Amino acid sequence: TQLLEQSPQFLSIQEGENLTVYCNSSSVFSSLQWYRQEPGEGPVLLVTVVTGGEVKKLKRLTFQFGDARKDSSLHITAAQPGDTGLYLCAGAPYNTDKLIFGTGTRLQVFP
Amino acid sequence: KAGVTQTPRYLIKTRGQQVTLSCSPISGHRSVSWYQQTPGQGLQFLFEYFSETQRNKGNFPGRFSGRQFSNSRSEMNVSTLELGDSALYLCASSHWLDGNTGELFFGEGSRLTVL
Repeated sequence: TQLLEQSPQFLSIQEGENLTVYCNSSSVFSSLQWYRQEPGEGPVLLVTVVTGGEVKKLKRLTFQFGDARKDSSLHITAAQPGDTGLYLCAGAPYNTDKLIFGTGTRLQVFP
Repeated sequence: KAGVTQTPRYLIKTRGQQVTLSCSPISGHRSVSWYQQTPGQGLQFLFEYFSETQRNKGNFPGRFSGRQFSNSRSEMNVSTLELGDSALYLCASSHWLDGNTGELFFGEGSRLTVL
């Protein structure tokens, strides 16, 4: 059973477009992390959201943690080819410390 | 400081063989986690070690095992290899005491192909 479902699974867009990636679960998480993985490399942490309803911004990336702490979203404004990669959400279900990863969203941004 | 180092980067084995993968964490990190990444299943948690003790284990058969040494370096072993074991095996280190919000630092992975 996959506890963290991401959508869409694949996303192919043109440079300058906006996009949103979703990470959903029926479980409550004490926090959620977002990672980006580029080909041939391991995932790299982008952000950690801890408080329900929290919104964090990193330049063109906006991350939101749902009020009920069961979901999160990543919004990219004016996507660039350098944003291409596999985006993964990750979290430890409440009262556990085993970090699990979402199903992943593969983003391709064309110039 | 040096990142997480995994060896070997690539290896090819045949069914029935066994394989050992190595991971050197970032200096000072005492927690090491292992993940299996495949196109179909994504990133699946294998196990986590802290101070030479296995803290958590994922839902993998007993053919998958691991250990951690006193210098925090870790190895994982897969015995009696099956075709389905072909995957990218990722190691990550962290300051475990950060709890659930701790950042994982990943290595570049060991890509195993089973023929």
